[in-house]
This record gives sequence, structure tokens and C-alpha cells, in this order.
Amino acid sequence: DAGVTQSPTHLIKTRGQQVTLRCSPKSGHDTVSWYQQALGQGPQFIFQYYEEEERQRGNFPDRFSGHQFPNYSSELNVNALLLGDSALYLCASSLAGLPDTQYFGPGTRLTVL
Amino acid sequence: GNSVTQMEGPVTLSEEAFLTINCTYTATGYPSLFWYVQYPGEGLQLLLKATKADDKGSNKGFEATYRKETTSFHLEKGSVQVSDSAVYFCALSNAGGTSYGKLTFGQGTILTVHP
Repeated sequence: DAGVTQSPTHLIKTRGQQVTLRCSPKSGHDTVSWYQQALGQGPQFIFQYYEEEERQRGNFPDRFSGHQFPNYSSELNVNALLLGDSALYLCASSLAGLPDTQYFGPGTRLTVL
Repeated sequence: GNSVTQMEGPVTLSEEAFLTINCTYTATGYPSLFWYVQYPGEGLQLLLKATKADDKGSNKGFEATYRKETTSFHLEKGSVQVSDSAVYFCALSNAGGTSYGKLTFGQGTILTVHP
């Protein structure tokens, strides 16, 4: 049973660029959440997708956007990158009926120079 | 709003020592409480959870009891091993309501266990 997978593993971008991160949920899961984990900090909730729509959003600017596909996989897009966007981006999947029981992927390490 | 506060770390112990990592929370309603563990270079793994007051979550020798009166969910293990070295995160989620499924995490506690 494949767990949550994310790609790429690492990414280096420069300020002002745009980035897309990808996530495939655990088999059978239909809900995907994204978190940003700055170095030495706990993860912070960005948003959650269910049925291809954003269901909840945390305190992140509109530069952060997402998408969910019919196969439940998801993308996180960040525009106009800032140095402060450097972090580990975690994807988590769950079932719609148990959205707080989340299984996390290994993350994508984004470095903005 | 919701918040989670963990004891300031890091925590360094010898193998077979007793572990306590403190966690307190602020939340509206009746949240579910979680402990996650993050091993070096990996994502988060759910360690245990409790969904109502006085529930005890347990897994792999770790335990935590949901204490509504003290708004706490302290993590304990009777005898730690070197392999328990990791970062531990306390988290909560409001059961039901508009924030259901939005996990709020503490800042994490680094645990290092020496042989």
C-alpha cells in the first residue's frame, strides 16, 4: 500500500520565481492538506482540498494556491517567491469523514535564494 | 484561536530513562489531540491520538492522556531507546465545525537518547 508521495524532494529557486509542488495521497484517501514547516518550527496549515475544491485555508497570502485533480492528487503553487518561503512543504492525506487523521508525505525542501 | 505550547527543548536522556514531554493547548470546543514524531529527513508520523477528555492514546510504549481540566496532553514513555531520538510534535484539531481537519502544531521538542 503506497503511502503519501511528494515530488520533487528538493528544489532551489530564486526570488520572484514560481514553483509547483506535487502530492499523491495514500491509496483510498480523498482529502489533501498542505503545510509549511520552517526550520526548527512546527508545521503551519496552508490549505485543504476535497472534491477538487479548497475546503479550508490558513493564514497564507494569495501567492499560495493549489489544485486537486480527479484522481485526488494535488499541487501547491507559490508565485513571486520570497526568501521567507524557504521551508519544508508537507502534504498530508486523509479521508473526508476523518479529516484530522492525516498521513504525511516526506516533504519537499524548497530553498529560495 | 487554537494554539499548542510544548515544553522548551531539547531533551537529552540516557537509554532506559523515563520521558515526559509537556504539551498544553488552547482551543474552542472539544478538540482532538495528537502526538506526531518526525525522524531525521522524514515527514511526520502519527504516534498516538485521543479524541475526548480522559482518553489515553498509546503506541510503541508511548502514552498520553487527554486532560481537559488542565488543557494538557503530556507525552510519556517509561524506558526510552536510542531509536526514539526524533522531534516530537503535539497537535490539535477541532472536531467538527469549520476548522475540522486543520491541524495546529506546537513548535516541536527535540529528543536525543544516548546509549
